[in-house]
Amino acid sequence: AAGVIQSPRHLIKEKRETATLKCYPIPRHDTVYWYQQGPGQDPQFLISFYEKMQSDKGSIPDRFSAQQFSDYHSELNMSSLELGDSALYFCASSSRLAGGLERNEQFFGPGTRLTVL
Amino acid sequence: KQEVTQIPAALSVPEGENLVLNCSFTDSAIYNLQWFRQDPGKGLTSLLLIQSSQREQTSGRLNASLDKSSGRSTLYIAASQPGDSATYLCAALFSDYKLSFGAGTTVTVRA
Repeated sequence: AAGVIQSPRHLIKEKRETATLKCYPIPRHDTVYWYQQGPGQDPQFLISFYEKMQSDKGSIPDRFSAQQFSDYHSELNMSSLELGDSALYFCASSSRLAGGLERNEQFFGPGTRLTVL
Repeated sequence: KQEVTQIPAALSVPEGENLVLNCSFTDSAIYNLQWFRQDPGKGLTSLLLIQSSQREQTSGRLNASLDKSSGRSTLYIAASQPGDSATYLCAALFSDYKLSFGAGTTVTVRA
Protein backbone atom coordinates (compact mmCIF):
# COMPACT_ATOMS: atom_id res chain seq x y z
CA ALA A 1 0.00 0.00 0.00
CA ALA A 2 1.17 3.51 -0.77
CA GLY A 3 2.55 5.44 2.17
CA VAL A 4 3.34 9.06 2.90
CA ILE A 5 6.38 10.20 0.96
CA GLN A 6 8.72 12.91 2.17
CA SER A 7 11.64 14.50 0.43
CA PRO A 8 14.42 15.06 0.93
CA ARG A 9 15.19 12.50 3.61
CA HIS A 10 18.20 14.44 4.83
CA LEU A 11 19.05 18.11 4.51
CA ILE A 12 22.00 20.09 5.76
CA LYS A 13 21.82 23.88 5.80
CA GLU A 14 23.77 26.79 7.22
CA LYS A 15 22.33 29.29 9.67
CA ARG A 16 20.14 31.95 8.06
CA GLU A 17 19.58 29.80 4.96
CA THR A 18 16.20 28.63 3.66
CA ALA A 19 14.87 25.07 3.42
CA THR A 20 11.88 23.54 1.68
CA LEU A 21 10.47 20.19 2.75
CA LYS A 22 8.00 18.28 0.62
CA CYS A 23 5.27 15.83 1.51
CA TYR A 24 3.13 13.60 -0.69
CA PRO A 25 0.16 12.19 1.24
CA ILE A 26 -1.45 8.81 0.81
CA PRO A 27 -3.74 8.92 -2.26
CA ARG A 28 -7.28 10.09 -1.48
CA HIS A 29 -6.26 11.48 1.91
CA ASP A 30 -7.62 15.00 2.30
CA THR A 31 -5.58 16.23 5.27
CA VAL A 32 -1.87 16.80 5.73
CA TYR A 33 -0.12 17.50 9.03
CA TRP A 34 3.40 18.66 9.86
CA TYR A 35 5.18 17.74 13.10
CA GLN A 36 8.62 18.63 14.44
CA GLN A 37 10.60 16.24 16.63
CA GLY A 38 13.68 17.68 18.28
CA PRO A 39 16.48 15.43 19.58
CA GLY A 40 15.17 13.28 22.42
CA GLN A 41 11.77 14.96 22.33
CA ASP A 42 8.27 13.95 21.35
CA PRO A 43 6.76 15.21 18.08
CA GLN A 44 5.16 18.64 18.27
CA PHE A 45 2.33 19.67 15.95
CA LEU A 46 3.17 22.55 13.61
CA ILE A 47 0.35 23.01 11.12
CA SER A 48 -2.27 21.12 9.11
CA PHE A 49 -4.23 21.51 5.89
CA TYR A 50 -7.62 20.15 4.98
CA GLU A 51 -8.65 20.25 1.33
CA LYS A 52 -5.85 22.69 0.57
CA MET A 53 -6.92 25.17 3.25
CA GLN A 54 -5.02 25.74 6.51
CA SER A 55 -6.90 23.87 9.20
CA ASP A 56 -5.06 24.07 12.51
CA LYS A 57 -1.94 25.82 13.68
CA GLY A 58 0.36 24.78 16.47
CA SER A 59 3.74 25.99 17.66
CA ILE A 60 5.00 26.99 14.23
CA PRO A 61 7.50 29.88 14.16
CA ASP A 62 6.67 32.89 12.02
CA ARG A 63 9.79 32.06 9.98
CA PHE A 64 8.03 28.93 8.77
CA SER A 65 5.20 28.78 6.27
CA ALA A 66 3.41 25.94 4.57
CA GLN A 67 0.86 25.29 1.88
CA GLN A 68 -1.00 22.47 0.23
CA PHE A 69 -1.24 22.36 -3.52
CA SER A 70 -3.98 21.29 -5.93
CA ASP A 71 -2.51 17.76 -6.14
CA TYR A 72 -2.64 17.61 -2.30
CA HIS A 73 1.10 17.57 -1.82
CA SER A 74 2.36 19.99 0.80
CA GLU A 75 5.53 22.01 1.31
CA LEU A 76 6.99 23.40 4.50
CA ASN A 77 9.15 26.46 3.89
CA MET A 78 11.62 27.44 6.57
CA SER A 79 13.56 30.69 6.38
CA SER A 80 16.31 32.31 8.46
CA LEU A 81 17.23 28.89 9.81
CA GLU A 82 18.55 28.68 13.35
CA LEU A 83 20.57 25.96 15.08
CA GLY A 84 17.48 25.07 17.12
CA ASP A 85 15.59 24.18 13.95
CA SER A 86 17.67 21.01 13.66
CA ALA A 87 15.12 18.24 14.04
CA LEU A 88 13.21 15.46 12.37
CA TYR A 89 10.24 16.85 10.47
CA PHE A 90 7.34 14.51 9.91
CA CYS A 91 4.46 14.80 7.55
CA ALA A 92 1.32 12.77 8.20
CA SER A 93 -1.91 12.35 6.29
CA SER A 94 -5.40 11.17 7.02
CA SER A 95 -8.87 11.08 5.57
CA ARG A 96 -11.38 13.16 7.54
CA LEU A 97 -14.19 11.94 5.34
CA ALA A 98 -13.50 8.37 6.47
CA GLY A 99 -15.43 8.87 9.67
CA GLY A 100 -14.80 12.04 11.59
CA LEU A 101 -12.59 12.67 14.59
CA GLU A 102 -13.03 9.34 16.32
CA ARG A 103 -11.84 7.33 13.33
CA ASN A 104 -9.16 9.83 12.29
CA GLU A 105 -5.95 7.81 12.01
CA GLN A 106 -2.84 9.69 10.99
CA PHE A 107 -0.21 7.91 8.93
CA PHE A 108 3.30 9.25 9.14
CA GLY A 109 6.02 9.54 6.56
CA PRO A 110 9.66 8.58 7.22
CA GLY A 111 10.57 12.16 8.08
CA THR A 112 13.14 14.67 6.85
CA ARG A 113 16.16 15.10 9.06
CA LEU A 114 17.22 18.75 8.96
CA THR A 115 20.61 19.69 10.31
CA VAL A 116 21.46 23.37 10.65
CA LEU A 117 25.16 24.15 11.00
CA LYS B 1 -3.90 22.01 29.27
CA GLN B 2 -4.15 18.71 27.43
CA GLU B 3 -1.12 16.61 28.30
CA VAL B 4 -0.05 13.05 27.57
CA THR B 5 2.37 11.27 29.89
CA GLN B 6 4.22 7.98 29.55
CA ILE B 7 5.85 6.26 32.48
CA PRO B 8 8.39 4.72 32.67
CA ALA B 9 10.69 6.45 30.21
CA ALA B 10 12.64 3.24 29.72
CA LEU B 11 12.03 -0.45 30.27
CA SER B 12 14.29 -3.50 29.94
CA VAL B 13 12.92 -7.04 29.95
CA PRO B 14 14.20 -10.52 29.10
CA GLU B 15 12.97 -12.11 25.90
CA GLY B 16 9.63 -13.87 26.30
CA GLU B 17 8.32 -11.62 29.04
CA ASN B 18 5.10 -9.67 28.44
CA LEU B 19 5.46 -5.90 28.09
CA VAL B 20 3.09 -3.42 29.71
CA LEU B 21 3.38 0.20 28.56
CA ASN B 22 1.38 2.95 30.21
CA CYS B 23 -0.04 6.17 28.82
CA SER B 24 -2.08 8.75 30.73
CA PHE B 25 -3.86 11.87 29.52
CA THR B 26 -5.29 14.83 31.40
CA ASP B 27 -8.45 15.45 29.39
CA SER B 28 -11.03 12.69 29.17
CA ALA B 29 -12.57 14.40 26.13
CA ILE B 30 -10.38 12.52 23.69
CA TYR B 31 -11.63 11.23 20.37
CA ASN B 32 -9.07 8.51 19.91
CA LEU B 33 -5.64 7.34 20.98
CA GLN B 34 -2.91 5.98 18.72
CA TRP B 35 0.09 3.90 19.68
CA PHE B 36 3.21 4.26 17.55
CA ARG B 37 6.54 2.52 17.32
CA GLN B 38 9.69 4.49 16.52
CA ASP B 39 13.09 2.96 15.84
CA PRO B 40 16.13 5.21 16.47
CA GLY B 41 16.21 8.09 14.01
CA LYS B 42 13.34 6.62 12.02
CA GLY B 43 9.72 7.42 11.32
CA LEU B 44 6.58 6.64 13.29
CA THR B 45 4.80 3.39 12.58
CA SER B 46 1.16 3.30 13.64
CA LEU B 47 0.46 0.17 15.69
CA LEU B 48 -3.09 0.55 16.94
CA LEU B 49 -5.83 3.14 17.07
CA ILE B 50 -8.49 3.00 19.77
CA GLN B 51 -11.59 5.09 19.27
CA SER B 52 -13.04 6.81 22.33
CA SER B 53 -16.09 4.54 22.16
CA GLN B 54 -13.91 1.41 22.31
CA ARG B 55 -12.36 -0.29 25.32
CA GLU B 56 -9.63 -2.22 23.53
CA GLN B 57 -8.04 -3.10 20.21
CA THR B 58 -5.95 -6.11 19.28
CA SER B 59 -3.47 -6.79 16.52
CA GLY B 60 -1.41 -9.95 16.70
CA ARG B 61 0.68 -9.88 19.89
CA LEU B 62 -0.44 -6.32 20.61
CA ASN B 63 -3.40 -5.36 22.72
CA ALA B 64 -4.28 -1.82 23.72
CA SER B 65 -6.89 -0.80 26.25
CA LEU B 66 -8.51 2.57 26.86
CA ASP B 67 -10.17 3.86 30.03
CA LYS B 68 -11.40 7.38 29.38
CA SER B 69 -12.77 7.93 32.87
CA SER B 70 -9.39 7.33 34.47
CA GLY B 71 -7.45 8.92 31.61
CA ARG B 72 -5.35 5.87 30.87
CA SER B 73 -4.36 3.60 28.03
CA THR B 74 -2.18 0.51 28.24
CA LEU B 75 -0.32 -1.27 25.47
CA TYR B 76 0.39 -4.94 26.08
CA ILE B 77 2.94 -6.81 23.98
CA ALA B 78 2.85 -10.54 24.55
CA ALA B 79 5.91 -12.78 24.49
CA SER B 80 8.38 -10.00 23.74
CA GLN B 81 11.17 -10.51 21.22
CA PRO B 82 14.45 -8.63 20.68
CA GLY B 83 12.87 -7.17 17.53
CA ASP B 84 10.33 -5.39 19.74
CA SER B 85 13.11 -3.14 21.04
CA ALA B 86 12.12 0.42 20.10
CA THR B 87 10.50 3.53 21.50
CA TYR B 88 6.73 3.35 21.84
CA LEU B 89 4.74 6.58 21.80
CA CYS B 90 1.11 7.15 22.52
CA ALA B 91 -0.72 10.11 21.04
CA ALA B 92 -4.17 11.45 21.87
CA LEU B 93 -6.55 13.28 19.56
CA PHE B 94 -8.42 15.88 21.59
CA SER B 95 -10.91 18.46 20.39
CA ASP B 96 -9.15 19.17 17.12
CA TYR B 97 -7.22 17.19 14.57
CA LYS B 98 -3.74 17.58 16.05
CA LEU B 99 -2.15 14.72 17.94
CA SER B 100 -0.63 15.33 21.37
CA PHE B 101 2.23 12.92 21.99
CA GLY B 102 3.69 11.43 25.12
CA ALA B 103 7.46 11.42 25.52
CA GLY B 104 7.61 7.69 24.80
CA THR B 105 8.85 4.57 26.56
CA THR B 106 12.09 3.10 25.23
CA VAL B 107 11.95 -0.67 25.40
CA THR B 108 14.90 -3.04 25.34
CA VAL B 109 14.22 -6.75 25.06
CA ARG B 110 17.29 -8.75 26.11
CA ALA B 111 18.01 -11.98 24.24
